[in-house]
Amino acid sequence: QVQLVESGGGVVQSGGSLRLSCAASGFTFSSHGMHWVRQAPGKGLEWMAFIWYDGSNAYYGDSVKGRFTISRDNSKNMLYLQMNNLRAEDTAVYYCARNRGSRERGGYFDPWGQGTLVTVSS
Amino acid sequence: EIVLTQSPGTLSLSPGERATLSCRASQSVSSSYLAWYQQKPGQAPRLLIYDASSRATGIPDRFSGSGSGTDFTLTISRLEPEDFAVYYCHQYGSSPPLTFGGGTKVEIK
Repeated sequence: QVQLVESGGGVVQSGGSLRLSCAASGFTFSSHGMHWVRQAPGKGLEWMAFIWYDGSNAYYGDSVKGRFTISRDNSKNMLYLQMNNLRAEDTAVYYCARNRGSRERGGYFDPWGQGTLVTVSS
Repeated sequence: EIVLTQSPGTLSLSPGERATLSCRASQSVSSSYLAWYQQKPGQAPRLLIYDASSRATGIPDRFSGSGSGTDFTLTISRLEPEDFAVYYCHQYGSSPPLTFGGGTKVEIK
């Protein structure tokens, strides 16, 4: 079955960096765009970034543009999120999700991974 | 950026009752590109509805979506115990950014 498994979360100091990974299985990874979405503790959902199926285009939310980079390795069925210059407000559970629909700049999300927690300490 | 406002913030109902959740957009959502997700505590969100009214695979038919333009509704015809959760709407008609509503919690009365 389709599965997404995130890893790489942890505790990092403010200003530090972290790279999240998302391992995909059960579908043709190279045929689908992918997203990162986060959820701060007790809060709602916030879309972070989207990458095309071939990695040739990427889009970002304003709060992470210039600090976070989404990338992928289709030979390994892996999605990544490089997070630099982390701030306390980046503390959240980070989910990867498969893109669905035909929208060039991102569609809906199905399925989602179980999430990985990133805590930025000040 | 399209801002989505969900109401009410919390809905207190009993099993067997009908739930009506609202999602209002700050501007028209292109081609009804709106989705609904369910999230239970400690779990990832799960897709329920896409393109405003299409049920995702495996979703029971007691869940239905409707609406267009700026006003959208998720209806749960008869609440089952497993339906008590938080529900989010999400628009993908205008991006970036893709945006979510703030959520509606459906709790047991």
